[in-house]
Amino acid sequence: DAGITQSPRHKVTETGTPVTLRCHQTENHRYMYWYRQDPGHGLRLIHYSYGVKDTDKGEVSDGYSVSRSKTEDFLLTLESATSSQTSVYFCAISGVAGAAYEQYFGPGTRLTVT
Amino acid sequence: AQKVTQAQTEISVVEKEDVTLDCVYETRDTTYYLFWYKQPPSGELVFLIRRNSFDEQNEISGRYSWNFQKSTSSFNFTITASQVVDSAVYFCALSEYKAAGNKLTFGGGTRVLVKP
Repeated sequence: DAGITQSPRHKVTETGTPVTLRCHQTENHRYMYWYRQDPGHGLRLIHYSYGVKDTDKGEVSDGYSVSRSKTEDFLLTLESATSSQTSVYFCAISGVAGAAYEQYFGPGTRLTVT
Repeated sequence: AQKVTQAQTEISVVEKEDVTLDCVYETRDTTYYLFWYKQPPSGELVFLIRRNSFDEQNEISGRYSWNFQKSTSSFNFTITASQVVDSAVYFCALSEYKAAGNKLTFGGGTRVLVKP
């Protein structure tokens, strides 16, 4: 158990509203990631973080921003939600002792934008 | 750019049959990592295996085995004597070879349905 939680687990929101998803880890891992999962696309990287206040863009970053003010929390914000952002969002961490190269995933957040 | 292709979108087998999942990848890197993850119907992602590109030994773990062939850019996964609990979506993934902070590129996934 890599100690990763995501909140909320489910959310329905309206087009045009801002939404923030939270990823929390309990083990002080340096690297954190946000992915989205859509049918036929597997998981695609949105943003990642390699330390507090150090973040970078992934493959599908348009329309998303992130922040990491504490080691344990990595926030994903949809600035103005659109229907194309309806997806399942997974947070991941890496750098687990003895398994530094693997990524371990949180339980996911199902977001529906109506 | 890196790319992972899982051409089989869905495979249906009867319990105790063997099933092989194909994974083909593209990368310009000479060293890299390959992974398999399992996503059961409950939705979580479970790490199964990591393979370094410079280690072409095949690996077996219980009923699971993996065949890595660098010459054909493939990293296939076989489940022997499948069970209903093996029903899941399986993802193959590729990352650059770094000490940590690797970004994963995933294939589209293969859904395996094992019928009793």
